[in-house]
Amino acid sequence: AQSVTQPDIHITVSEGASLELRCNYSYGATPYLFWYVQSPGQGLQLLLKYFSGDTLVQGIKGFEAEFKRSQSSFNLRKPSVHWSDAAEYFCATGGGNKLTFGTGTQLKVEL
Amino acid sequence: NAGVTQTPKFQVLKTGQSMTLQCAQDMNHEYMSWYRQDPGMGLRLIHYSVGAGITDQGEVPNGYNVSRSTTEDFPLRLLSAAPSQTSVYFCASSPGTPKNYGYTFGSGTRLTVV
Repeated sequence: AQSVTQPDIHITVSEGASLELRCNYSYGATPYLFWYVQSPGQGLQLLLKYFSGDTLVQGIKGFEAEFKRSQSSFNLRKPSVHWSDAAEYFCATGGGNKLTFGTGTQLKVEL
Repeated sequence: NAGVTQTPKFQVLKTGQSMTLQCAQDMNHEYMSWYRQDPGMGLRLIHYSVGAGITDQGEVPNGYNVSRSTTEDFPLRLLSAAPSQTSVYFCASSPGTPKNYGYTFGSGTRLTVV
């Protein structure tokens, strides 16, 4: 079964610093991959998705992710983090009639 | 266009009580799903529906029932609440197969069973 792993439970970055959140997938064929963000007390919001084509995907709020088949990774990046980016981030993979989510990475932004 | 609406936002139940979590979407999405979110475990699929009249079990279906009589509504029923069902519940919808579109999520229902 398809799955994703988020190895970092918590990450702290300073405002203005760059950010990279890790996601590793396990699937033989080209996976369907997503990144979601969850602000405190809110539902999940889709940041970006990847199915095929260009391996660098642009999303909302200045985020991007790069699909690397050789590393089985789909890491989320942002060049300069804002305090409002503090949230929990989930990687997910699609298959069948559902999405399967990772366990999430909690991002803290230091001012 | 309200998106996915979940009610109530908060609920406290006693062990053994039953209740229904409501979910409605106004986007004419065919696919609807219920997930529960627990600390350190991400989101786990409870039940899903691919259209009115069609439902199926997800990863953690025990203790929950669903039905889908209309495209808009997908209620989740807890038959006899247990403390292990204390969680945050999210309803989500998709216009087609979720792997092609992703989900639109509701804002969640925080349930505590005492």
